[in-house]
Amino acid sequence: VQVVQSGAEMKKPGESLKISCKGSGYSFSTYWIAWVRQMPGKGLEWMGSIYPGDSNIRYSPSFQGQVTISADKSITTAYLQWKSLKASDTALYYCARSSGSSIDLNNWGQGTLVTVSS
Amino acid sequence: DIQMTQSPSSLSASVGDRVSITCRASQGISNNLAWFQQKPGTAPKPLIFAASSLQRGVPSRFSGRRSGADFTLTITSLQPEDLATYYCQQYYSFPITFGEGTRLEIK
Repeated sequence: VQVVQSGAEMKKPGESLKISCKGSGYSFSTYWIAWVRQMPGKGLEWMGSIYPGDSNIRYSPSFQGQVTISADKSITTAYLQWKSLKASDTALYYCARSSGSSIDLNNWGQGTLVTVSS
Repeated sequence: DIQMTQSPSSLSASVGDRVSITCRASQGISNNLAWFQQKPGTAPKPLIFAASSLQRGVPSRFSGRRSGADFTLTITSLQPEDLATYYCQQYYSFPITFGEGTRLEIK
């Protein structure tokens, strides 16, 4: 099982961004994938999860409307997207796959650093 | 939302010590609790799942226990490589929530 994220991004405020998380070595459709934010020097915050099999998406109230989570089963990839970035979106973003029958976070990607600065 | 209250926020101990970190859930989560270790500059590493089951490859000096709504991660015989921040996380229901973390320092 592997979960591999896209590389670091440097963006300006107001720009859009889509980062990715590719799963391999397992049945992509049947495991939840979550996105977790870690701001500099801070703890872990769950942003939302997607079940690629039926595109069931659950968002944290803190992130609902701020980001969009999606997945493309044909290329076993999940996405986290912003329409208009803010400096406060600067953070490390992790994706993590569940262990199967639950919504836990069992296999983590390496993280994608997003820096938003003018 | 289920709140996870983790304590202490930081801890300093010597090599060979036994240390414990606690999380209290604001409502029932059964055994749906995981512990993670995060070393500087790396992704969180799962240590424990289902409150007390050790992930494959995790040293046996790590253990987890549940007592009602209280969950404890214990490290017996602390090693230098255990320097890290530790997080609990409930996966009983959405929204998934984490404890605020415990920074473990080695004296």
